[in-house]
Amino acid sequence: NAGVMQNPRHLVRRRGQEARLRCSPMKGHSHVYWYRQLPEEGLKFMVYLQKENIIDESGMPKERFSAEFPKEGPSILRIQQVVRGDSAAYFCASSPADLTGVGSGNTIYFGEGSWLTVV
Amino acid sequence: QQPVQSPQAVILREGEDAVINCSSSKALYSVHWYRQKHGEAPVFLMILLKGGEQKGHEKISASFNEKKQQSSLYLTASQLSYSGTYFCGTASSSGGSYIPTFGRGTSLIVHP
Repeated sequence: NAGVMQNPRHLVRRRGQEARLRCSPMKGHSHVYWYRQLPEEGLKFMVYLQKENIIDESGMPKERFSAEFPKEGPSILRIQQVVRGDSAAYFCASSPADLTGVGSGNTIYFGEGSWLTVV
Repeated sequence: QQPVQSPQAVILREGEDAVINCSSSKALYSVHWYRQKHGEAPVFLMILLKGGEQKGHEKISASFNEKKQQSSLYLTASQLSYSGTYFCGTASSSGGSYIPTFGRGTSLIVHP
């Protein structure tokens, strides 16, 4: 499967525990984006990363949330000390290059999401 | 700031047409349209880059009016498989990264 791979698909955590969500981009893609989706709502941008660099984290909550995209391995979204309000679907997307450039038709392709439930 | 989509929901019978609108308060670089079925990933439909550009994908097409900062998605002769939530993602310069910001979505239900 050459698509964006996310795991786990479903994760249940008790309040105060840590959640780690992993994302492997499509083959040939080096740009990763994380979005959060609450029930009946749209996709809220969280963070944009390239290998070993955070490019834009303007959508990340200031505390408890962090993201990385190491040189080797998947991108990881980490949520520490989870609370009930963190329950949501977390989608990862990837693109082959940045989205600029004259005539660029680059877009982002989504993975199937990780559903986090905090109990 | 996220784009505004209208209507919030559309209910159709097979074969009927629908239009979904997307507007932004910011100058737009591109508009990206996706369809998401319940519990699944958003699936890319098309991207529009230039003011006045129109694109087609089978019986689904879209237009982008750069001056009005609006895009519309046109679904003609709808099929049952068109059911889902449609999202527009608008991209404007945000520190130079042009990351799509999505609206709340339009729920489309097609009945037999």
